[in-house]
Amino acid sequence: GAVVSQHPSWVICKSGTSVKIECRSLDFQATTMFWYRQFPKQSLMLMATSNEGSKATYEQGVEKDKFLINHASLTLSTLTVTSAHPEDSSFYICSARGAGGEELFFGEGSRLTVL
Amino acid sequence: EDQVTQSPEALRLQEGESSSLNCSYTVSGLRGLFWYRQDPGKGPEFLFTLYSAGEEKEKERLKATLTKKESFLHITAPKPEDSATYLCAVQAASSNTGKLIFGQGTTLQVKP
Repeated sequence: GAVVSQHPSWVICKSGTSVKIECRSLDFQATTMFWYRQFPKQSLMLMATSNEGSKATYEQGVEKDKFLINHASLTLSTLTVTSAHPEDSSFYICSARGAGGEELFFGEGSRLTVL
Repeated sequence: EDQVTQSPEALRLQEGESSSLNCSYTVSGLRGLFWYRQDPGKGPEFLFTLYSAGEEKEKERLKATLTKKESFLHITAPKPEDSATYLCAVQAASSNTGKLIFGQGTTLQVKP
């Protein structure tokens, strides 16, 4: 199957700092990428949908100024958690979909811990 | 409102003891139903996509089926390595972005 890579796989930061997470599609061009967050023992909650070259579409209740998403190329999307606080600690997962494809392929996830 | 409900929340099986996981959904037109496996601390791994009622797909010990209201993931003679959380998700026909709505998952533990 298609490969989606996330980096870093885990990060610890101080409260008030910003953290950037990268999501790359390694063997296909991803026209659409999705960002999810997952709290312990809960399912995936969609945060935003990003299309290459355009602004991301955020789900209701997700602060777009706090979670900055950039989809600069067909193989890379980034999520920046700005001014992180302990309540932002979570498991962030990206997924990617190629042109004409119905299947979504997920990255390995990034564990963010804000102290 | 589009919704996905999975049951049971947790399932413990003995190795070799077959069982089924349920995924009930309400969606305004189904574009696709997806099953994923998720290991602790990892991203979901794609298993199956089902598109229409009556469709079935198999992969090793897993078999997914679909009706107009629910999907089942049948696990035949499971092994300890099948232990994981199984996630079901639907894509509505109205979605042209590939947005998936996930259920809460069923955590399966298979004991040797």
